[in-house]
Amino acid sequence: RKEVEQDPGPFNVPEGATVAFNCTYSNSASQSFFWYRQDCRKEPKLLMSVYSSGNEDGRFTAQLNRASQYISLLIRDSKLSDSATYLCVGGGNTNAGKSTFGDGTTLTVKP
Amino acid sequence: NAGVTQTPKFQVLKTGQSMTLQCAQDMNHNSMYWYRQDPGMGLRLIYYSASEGTTDKGEVPNGYNVSRLNKREFSLRLESAAPSQTSVYFCASSDPRTSGSYRAYEQYFGPGTRLTVT
Repeated sequence: RKEVEQDPGPFNVPEGATVAFNCTYSNSASQSFFWYRQDCRKEPKLLMSVYSSGNEDGRFTAQLNRASQYISLLIRDSKLSDSATYLCVGGGNTNAGKSTFGDGTTLTVKP
Repeated sequence: NAGVTQTPKFQVLKTGQSMTLQCAQDMNHNSMYWYRQDPGMGLRLIYYSASEGTTDKGEVPNGYNVSRLNKREFSLRLESAAPSQTSVYFCASSDPRTSGSYRAYEQYFGPGTRLTVT
């Protein structure tokens, strides 16, 4: 079993839709969680860090459920520019923050 | 402020050749990382360095060596390239960020090196 698992999708949604991605992690020692966005053939870029039970940044909401060991990302009012692959990451808070990346969920937003 | 830079951007090697991938960051971060990403997959950690002078193995270290030359630079060496090492290689750096009782390492990535081994 992979340490961080994501539904690979693809998710195809119309503009304006709300879409949610889920991610599960198996290492209960993981302390910090992140969502990264990766455009085709580009480097991953940090989208959100997930602290405590979750946080919100504009149209994006991330939630963390430690008891069930899952993290979610909700995107409201999808834009064409949201089309990308979203990577879920679980990491430690010691040892240089050694992290494990999920394989990613691909989102395509269509007009 | 360039962030994380990597050279070269592209490289083609023949089986058995060696090469070094260079990475530098100007954010004064202590931690640096090397990942590889194969098509349709997430990133897998090859090696990381918590600080200048220290390096540790990640998930897939076989066939690679690293050198943390100083705080800014972290290089990855392939001593004898194999076709299985065809991949995109990303370097990243981070420092811990504290939020309340939480401490997290937000990583910042370079643009990657696309390596093909024939």
